[in-house]
Amino acid sequence: AAGVIQSPRHLIKEKRETATLKCYPIPRHDTVYWYQQGPGQDPQFLISFYEKMQSDKGSIPDRFSAQQFSDYHSELNMSSLELGDSALYFCASSLAPGLAGEYEQYFGPGTRLTVT
Amino acid sequence: TQLLEQSPQFLSIQEGENLTVYCNSSSVFSSLQWYRQEPGEGPVLLVTVVTGGEVKKLKRLTFQFGDARKDSSLHITAAQPGDTGLYLCAGVWSGAGSYQLTFGKGTKLSVIP
Repeated sequence: AAGVIQSPRHLIKEKRETATLKCYPIPRHDTVYWYQQGPGQDPQFLISFYEKMQSDKGSIPDRFSAQQFSDYHSELNMSSLELGDSALYFCASSLAPGLAGEYEQYFGPGTRLTVT
Repeated sequence: TQLLEQSPQFLSIQEGENLTVYCNSSSVFSSLQWYRQEPGEGPVLLVTVVTGGEVKKLKRLTFQFGDARKDSSLHITAAQPGDTGLYLCAGVWSGAGSYQLTFGKGTKLSVIP
């Protein structure tokens, strides 16, 4: 079965640079979530989109922005990168709210961002 | 912030033993998920429970959602080395009006052959 696709899998950037992470949800999933997982930490919710509109916002820094496109893929844009942004970034997708299985979020393999 | 307290944090057992991992909160959750995560990889969904008192089985794994939907447990029967990994509980808080997941800190399980 098709899974969530994330690219790139690994990214190395220097401080103050920008980065763009991409996420392609499971077919027919129209809700996308972004999570950040620091070393030894549990995943922390950043932001989510449903039908190309932002549906919820968590602990996402103002330096980060995201959007969902007409084909439902999503991009997380990160600017003025800091050392503390080094982490695994996961995208998850799910069916629309109100549908059976609405709570089931399927995670991608993640993008490991290293800021030097 | 809605917290999920997961215990134990670490568990090392012999092959063939049984174990239970707990996930507790003072908040009510609309649903609770259990994930397994390997180092450097994304969490893999094992089960979702949404009804208070619900019990689901996945081979040797049994998942239970508390009657009040504030807690959950994962029981593994006759653990095998292949069960080694990080187990995470995560829930959708019913008062949030959103579907963001709140994660527990995880249980790192090691099954010794």
